[in-house]
Amino acid sequence: ETGVTQTPRHLVMGMTNKKSLKCEQHLGHNAMYWYKQSAKKPLELMFVYSLEERVENNSVPSRFSPECPNSSHLFLHLHTLQPEDSALYLCASSLLQADHGYTFGSGTRLTVV
Amino acid sequence: GDSVTQMEGPVTLSEEAFLTINCTYTATGYPSLFWYVQYPGEGLQLLLKATKADDKGSNKGFEATYRKETTSFHLEKGSVQVSDSAVYFCALRGNTGGGNKLTFGTGTQLKVEL
Repeated sequence: ETGVTQTPRHLVMGMTNKKSLKCEQHLGHNAMYWYKQSAKKPLELMFVYSLEERVENNSVPSRFSPECPNSSHLFLHLHTLQPEDSALYLCASSLLQADHGYTFGSGTRLTVV
Repeated sequence: GDSVTQMEGPVTLSEEAFLTINCTYTATGYPSLFWYVQYPGEGLQLLLKATKADDKGSNKGFEATYRKETTSFHLEKGSVQVSDSAVYFCALRGNTGGGNKLTFGTGTQLKVEL
């Protein structure tokens, strides 16, 4: 248990479904992140929330929609995904200070069929 | 912008062998440096960090020294075990603009065999 909890751990969804990934931390961190990790590819930073405000969106398709209702929770809403969106989705949180690392959750393994 | 370069993997070693995974970086200012480890099916876990030049981070027998003159942060372990098999990521977090993001290397897979 790292302090960052992601649910569900595994998700299989059809291309027409709508689902949401959830991330929760009670570490007192004030920034949260979504990453995509695909086989044979570098980690891709998708979204950054700092003090509950989205500060970065790295050209992510609109079929991915993040939501940060408070400093402890982060969601990634998914709709009309493509098979190439199948990946491990990692949530992380941190303090804003540069000498702090990120704390990652265990990830959600998403398969789009 | 900031960047991290790691040696290509996979690295395959026999148990009790010495491990070095090279990491070099490019950054403005004085970044903090990190090593993360990812075991199969899991997220990334912070292994060790160093926040200023000449600092040595250490944990679970792993060590890395922040070398500003060579812009490097190589990961070492004197005697690896099968349980060390994982993917290792070097990362930096800058303190000059860019939102203090963590920038990762591409990861190096380590396989330790009996």
